[in-house]
Amino acid sequence: AQSVTQLDSQVPVFEEAPVELRCNYSSSVSVYLFWYVQYPNQGLQLLLKYLSGSTLVKGINGFEAEFNKSQTSFHLRKPSVHISDTAEYFCAVSTLYGGSQGNLIFGKGTKLSVKP
Amino acid sequence: DARVTQTPRHKVTEMGQEVTMRCQPILGHNTVFWYRQTMMQGLELLAYFRNRAPLDDSGMPKDRFSAEMPDATLATLKIQPSEPRDSAVYFCASGSLFGGGITEAFFGQGTRLTVV
Repeated sequence: AQSVTQLDSQVPVFEEAPVELRCNYSSSVSVYLFWYVQYPNQGLQLLLKYLSGSTLVKGINGFEAEFNKSQTSFHLRKPSVHISDTAEYFCAVSTLYGGSQGNLIFGKGTKLSVKP
Repeated sequence: DARVTQTPRHKVTEMGQEVTMRCQPILGHNTVFWYRQTMMQGLELLAYFRNRAPLDDSGMPKDRFSAEMPDATLATLKIQPSEPRDSAVYFCASGSLFGGGITEAFFGQGTRLTVV
């Protein structure tokens, strides 16, 4: 079975500073990878995804992530954060083969708090 | 604007009562997920369906939870009898399978369940 580990439950950062939210996954088969964002009292919204091709993917709101197959990681980055980026961020995987094919498993989330 | 619709948005019920949550997935999507979100456990996958057939419901407490898709436009999650520990936000998401995995999942706004 696959799993997703988000290494930091909370990340405080000052406005205009860079940020990296870390995600590692475990799977015996190929996966698709995702980052979602959740604002208070709302559902989850897709930030970006890796399906194939270039390992550096760009998403909405200036976020990007890099897929590293050897380290089984998919870290999310933004060079300069804004107050409005304060939210909870979730990393997720979808398995391509096997008994869990086509599922979607999430990490426990990282709360990003941007301070002025 | 296609979206996943969940009803009700909020539900307060007494312990022992039956609770039914409904989800209208996006037309054309062949996969529907049910998740439960709590502070302690994060986003847990309860069950998912492909082409209306249940693929995996191992995340659900079998004795009290049930999930169905009576038709392509409706998914239901039922709890009977409900208990205070079931208090959580329940999300429905829909997506399409491509290349073996889910390429994107769209989330509803969630049902906030409180069992007193």
